[in-house]
Amino acid sequence: KAGVTQTPRYLIKTRGQQVTLSCSPISGHRSVSWYQQTPGQGLQFLFEYFSETQRNKGNFPGRFSGRQFSNSRSEMNVSTLELGDSALYLCASSLESGGATGELFFGEGSRLTVL
Amino acid sequence: GENVEQHPSTLSVQEGDSAVIKCTYSDSASNYFPWYKQELGKRPQLIIDIRSNVGEKKDQRIAVTLNKTAKHFSLHITETQPEDSAVYFCAASNYGGSQGNLIFGKGTKLSVKP
Repeated sequence: KAGVTQTPRYLIKTRGQQVTLSCSPISGHRSVSWYQQTPGQGLQFLFEYFSETQRNKGNFPGRFSGRQFSNSRSEMNVSTLELGDSALYLCASSLESGGATGELFFGEGSRLTVL
Repeated sequence: GENVEQHPSTLSVQEGDSAVIKCTYSDSASNYFPWYKQELGKRPQLIIDIRSNVGEKKDQRIAVTLNKTAKHFSLHITETQPEDSAVYFCAASNYGGSQGNLIFGKGTKLSVKP
């Protein structure tokens, strides 16, 4: 069974640009969650999508958005990039809502550098 | 919303010693508490979890304890080995409530010295 796939793995952008990250969950998983990982801040929850609907949202500005398609693939978008957006963005999939069944299966992440 | 505090942020032990990482949570409705291990350059992976109807759970050298009254839970690793070196994250969630998603602590970097 293929794992969670994230693309691109690495990208460099400049301030003010926008970026779109993609996540393909494990086949059969309906929930996709996004987390931002930075040194010292751990894993900060961005949002969760389940059956194409945003189920929960973390405390991030409106520049961060996402969506989920009918095949459960998800994208997240960050507009008007700031230096502080430099981070590893992790996507995780699960059968049901991540808090229900517990195990989140993480992708390898997309490392974003904003110059 | 839920807030999870994790201590210590770094922990160094000698091989064979025990390691304990502690977390506290704020939402008394939280009912699920997993622990994830992230080795350097790799993705986080679930190592053990506990639900609110259980006080302790063991899996070989690792165990987790939960104190619902005090709203804290801990990870215990016995007979540590160099391969236990990693960043460990605790998390909490309240499925069915307002915060079904997992909220993570900031992590503990464990170093096991041979």
